[in-house]
Amino acid sequence: EVQLVQSGAEVKKPGESLKISCKGSGYDFTNFWIGWVRQMPGKGLEWMGMIYPGDSDIRFSPSFQGQVTMSGDKSISTAYLQWSSLKASDTGMYYCARLRGAASDPFDIWGQGTTVTVSS
Amino acid sequence: SYVLTQPPSVSLAPGKTARITCGGDNIGIKSVHWYLQKPGQAPVLLISYDSDRPSGIPERFSGSNSGNTATLTISRVEAGDEADYYCQVWDPTSDHWVFGGGTRLTVL
Repeated sequence: EVQLVQSGAEVKKPGESLKISCKGSGYDFTNFWIGWVRQMPGKGLEWMGMIYPGDSDIRFSPSFQGQVTMSGDKSISTAYLQWSSLKASDTGMYYCARLRGAASDPFDIWGQGTTVTVSS
Repeated sequence: SYVLTQPPSVSLAPGKTARITCGGDNIGIKSVHWYLQKPGQAPVLLISYDSDRPSGIPERFSGSNSGNTATLTISRVEAGDEADYYCQVWDPTSDHWVFGGGTRLTVL
């Protein structure tokens, strides 16, 4: 079964760092883009960016460039989303999703989401 | 940057046909994908490339795209169709993905 499994919920304080993960299985992780999507409480979906695990090519939404870091470890079929200094406004649900093929293909498999809560 | 506009909400009675629109400048020349998100769940790909249904999606769900509007049509709406629906396109001029704001479907 093709699936993406994300790391568990996180509760952090402002200024702290965080790295969440997205592990793929059931397919060749190296050859499919992984996208990251934010959903703030009660709001819609926002594309943050995406990474191609095969060569670590990364594309960012302008809204998130410089705010987060994306990385991947193809040896363990895992993509990461990282913050160096969290803000309260980073609170939300973060989804990873596999793009069906090319960078312009739809998101056909989604992770279950990771809830990030940033509060003092 | 490219903008997709969806109505915030659509409400109708069971058995009726729901039409959820997604507006964008000349969207008809782009490929539109639709996602369904039920409360507390991750989104699911519902329609790809304007009108293709992934395996497992009922035939009641269909899509079209022309001019400045793409449309998701849900025939014979059921209570279980209550969810948020999002359209999405790839903007090749910026190499970015864009989501619409989402439409909440309520079955009365």
